[in-house]
Amino acid sequence: AQRVTQPEKLLSVFKGAPVELKCNYSYSGSPELFWYVQYSRQRLQLLLRHISRESIKGFTADLNKGETSFHLKKPFAQEEDSAMYYCALLTGTASKLTFGTGTRLQVTL
Amino acid sequence: EPEVTQTPSHQVTQMGQEVILRCVPISNHLYFYWYRQILGQKVEFLVSFYNNEISEKSEIFDDQFSVERPDGSNFTLKIRSTKLEDSAMYFCASRSLAGGTDTQYFGPGTRLTVL
Repeated sequence: AQRVTQPEKLLSVFKGAPVELKCNYSYSGSPELFWYVQYSRQRLQLLLRHISRESIKGFTADLNKGETSFHLKKPFAQEEDSAMYYCALLTGTASKLTFGTGTRLQVTL
Repeated sequence: EPEVTQTPSHQVTQMGQEVILRCVPISNHLYFYWYRQILGQKVEFLVSFYNNEISEKSEIFDDQFSVERPDGSNFTLKIRSTKLEDSAMYFCASRSLAGGTDTQYFGPGTRLTVL
């Protein structure tokens, strides 16, 4: 069965420091992976998807099939990046999302 | 920008009562989903709905749950006889097949509290 693992519940970094939020997946098929972000009191929003290979708000994520990882990175953290980040794997004909447990990113001054 | 909406934002009910959670997906979307998140746990898939029928459901989605698209805009989740463990945040999502995109857009959620 498919599985998404985010090993860190909380990641605390200083403003301007690099950020790496870890995500590993387990899936027998061809993976399609996403990062969703949830700012305080707001809905889940798509941050980026591996297929588009774009950078959103300075964040990037590269799919590494050998390590079955899709880590989210940003070179310089900003205060407004503080939020919950969820890694998700798309599977099935109905394209359901399997989420990781999420990592809370806290950016402090 | 169009958004998925959900009502109510918070529902409190007694154990054993029926609840209906409502969602209005984005208007040109064709796939609809319900997910739930128990406090402190991950977001879990419940059910997907396409072409007026369930396309996939999880083990959580037992006979107590049902979904319906009663008209052209609403998408509802009914829990027939609520249990304490149904207390959770319930998220509706929708996606369009236009352009082959698989992005799911989420509503703000309904917090269900079962007493």
